[in-house]
Amino acid sequence: DTGVSQNPRHKITKRGQNVTFRCDPISEHNRLYWYRQTLGQGPEFLTYFQNEAQLEKSRLLSDRFSAERPKGSFSTLEIQRTEQGDSAMYLCASSASGGGETQYFGPGTRLLVL
Amino acid sequence: DQQVKQNSPSLSVQEGRISILNCDYTNSMFDYFLWYKKYPAEGPTFLISISSIKDKNEDGRFTVFLNKSAKHLSLHIVPSQPGDSAVYFCAASAWGAQKLVFGQGTRLTINP
Repeated sequence: DTGVSQNPRHKITKRGQNVTFRCDPISEHNRLYWYRQTLGQGPEFLTYFQNEAQLEKSRLLSDRFSAERPKGSFSTLEIQRTEQGDSAMYLCASSASGGGETQYFGPGTRLLVL
Repeated sequence: DQQVKQNSPSLSVQEGRISILNCDYTNSMFDYFLWYKKYPAEGPTFLISISSIKDKNEDGRFTVFLNKSAKHLSLHIVPSQPGDSAVYFCAASAWGAQKLVFGQGTRLTINP
């Protein structure tokens, strides 16, 4: 399967703990995105990379959140000192550069903060 | 401010009939629009897209219509099949911007 993959698929943690999620994009895609989806809402943009450069961050991405894409391939999203409000589905997507920004999504990581 | 709105939280259609899902937007800078389908516990799956230079795009049973003056797009599914039951999201992006802005979704149920 050559689609976007995300690990883990599920994560349960206690409030105050740190968590890290990984995303592997489609291999030929140089753009990578993180979104967050809560119940009853559409996905909300968090951040975007072109190759290894993080080019845009949403106001939703508080200073407890950090994302990296060190070699322009896979990406990690870390949440420090998790809060119950961080409970959500975290989605990764990738796209090729050029016209028509069709983004292809992974299966997501569902985070539950107790 | 919700820039992309799907005003129908749910829609129920009989198998074989046409399903029409609607989406409105407010940002006139949006120039690329997409529809995604989502099953529970999975990520959104891309269905079909349309650029603002077109008013219609077809792909098999799926057709997207764009009315720029009304800032409205719709997705038509003909004929509807049980496997089409899912949540459908419309999304939009502005020229030069990379992020997608999503609507809240419409849950489509196809009844046999």
